[in-house]
Amino acid sequence: EAQVTQNPRYLITVTGKKLTVTCSQNMNHEYMSWYRQDPGLGLRQIYYSMNVEVTDKGDVPEGYKVSRKEKRNFPLILESPSPNQTSLYFCASSSGVGNTIYFGEGSWLTVV
Amino acid sequence: GQQLNQSPQSMFIQEGEDVSMNCTSSSIFNTWLWYKQDPGEGPVLLIALYKAGELTSNGRLTAQFGITRKDSFLNISASIPSDVGIYFCAGREGSNYKLTFGKGTLLTVNP
Repeated sequence: EAQVTQNPRYLITVTGKKLTVTCSQNMNHEYMSWYRQDPGLGLRQIYYSMNVEVTDKGDVPEGYKVSRKEKRNFPLILESPSPNQTSLYFCASSSGVGNTIYFGEGSWLTVV
Repeated sequence: GQQLNQSPQSMFIQEGEDVSMNCTSSSIFNTWLWYKQDPGEGPVLLIALYKAGELTSNGRLTAQFGITRKDSFLNISASIPSDVGIYFCAGREGSNYKLTFGKGTLLTVNP
C-alpha cells in the first residue's frame, strides 16, 4: 500500500530539547516536503526536497532543518524547539512536480 | 511568501445544496490543486488543473483553472453530509516543488 509514514504522531516536548520527526515513503518518490498547519493560516511549506541531497527552503523554514540522505526518508529536525513551533506537521511526497502529492497522517507537536 | 486568498472561510449549508468556493492569487500559477482534509487526516487531492481554462470534474466536484491563471474555483453539487471537511486550494508558480496553500474553507453540511 502506498504510504507516507510520519513518527511520532503526537509529541509534547519542552523548549530547547532537540527533536526529530521522521518521514518515510514507500513509493520511490523523488519529491518530498514538510508543511505545518496552524488555525487560520492553512498549510505552509517549511522545506522541500527534489531529490537525494537536494533540499530548499519553503515559506517558513526558520527554526527547522531537514536532510535527504536517502530517497525514502526526509526527517524534520527542530534543533531548539520553541512554543511557536507548536503545530500540526505534515510530510508529503510525489513522483514529479506536477504529479499527485501524497500526505502523511500528520504529527501533532506541542512545545511547552 | 506568496499568499492565496481563499473564500469563503466557512460555509454552513443544507444537504442537497450546491457549494462554490474560490481562490485568487496575485501571481500567475501554472498548476492549481484542490484538496479536502477530514478531521485527524492529511489532505487528500480532489482535482488537479494544469492549463488555463481547464474545467475538470470528479464525481459531484467540478473545478476550473481561471483564464488569467490567477484564480480557480471548486463547485460541489448536491452536497451530502460526508462532504464535511476543510477544502484547500493550492498553487504552483514555477517548475519547482514549491506549493502555496490557501487558508481553507470549512464546509459544514446539515442533514
